[in-house]
Amino acid sequence: SAVISQKPSRDICQRGTSLTIQCQVDSQVTMMFWYRQQPGQSLTLIATANQGSEATYESGFVIDKFPISRPNLTFSTLTVSNMSPEDSSIYLCSVGRGGYDTYEQYFGPGTRLTVT
Amino acid sequence: DQQVKQNSPSLSVQEGRISILNCDYTNSMFDYFLWYKKYPAEGPTFLISISSIKDKNEDGRFTVFLNKSAKHLSLHIVPSQPGDSAVYFCAARATTSGTYKYIFGTGTRLKVLA
Repeated sequence: SAVISQKPSRDICQRGTSLTIQCQVDSQVTMMFWYRQQPGQSLTLIATANQGSEATYESGFVIDKFPISRPNLTFSTLTVSNMSPEDSSIYLCSVGRGGYDTYEQYFGPGTRLTVT
Repeated sequence: DQQVKQNSPSLSVQEGRISILNCDYTNSMFDYFLWYKKYPAEGPTFLISISSIKDKNEDGRFTVFLNKSAKHLSLHIVPSQPGDSAVYFCAARATTSGTYKYIFGTGTRLKVLA
């Protein structure tokens, strides 16, 4: 398994400001993933962050709005820029572990963001 | 276009009985399927996964069945316990050019009655 921590656990922010969310993993991983879960919705993948390369963003998400850093194999940050109330969500980071025919994915506890 | 669907938003089961959670998908290129449990105010907890080359995987009380011809998978929990009450998500993984894309279903809220 993997132990993942996120900071902050929650925040209330003013519209137009930015918030950076940190994700720390207890072991080295190649890929880290950032998700969003809006109220009453399922989880949506924002981007995949590989160490040493640009993050890969899913359709509907852009780097200017959600810049991601991946400075090493155990840490990543996601910034939510120029926030609006529509960005109010739970933001989650996750990592995957796989073998020949097995695969597991672990999530952090999430960051609950409220934009007013 | 919802590629992964959980058509039952909720399910109630008596303690000790079997819980069966269902998931349908449309993309035959998915290579792994995963199930998660989520409690309020927590991140999803990984339960079990299955490779697309298999039709069954077991881990303790949890068994996942995959029917590729029907593009359907199910999670069986036996016996169900009150602590299993949570929202359950299925997810599917597609691999494209060395990167992974995960698509989640909308979740099924399981309530296990004591």
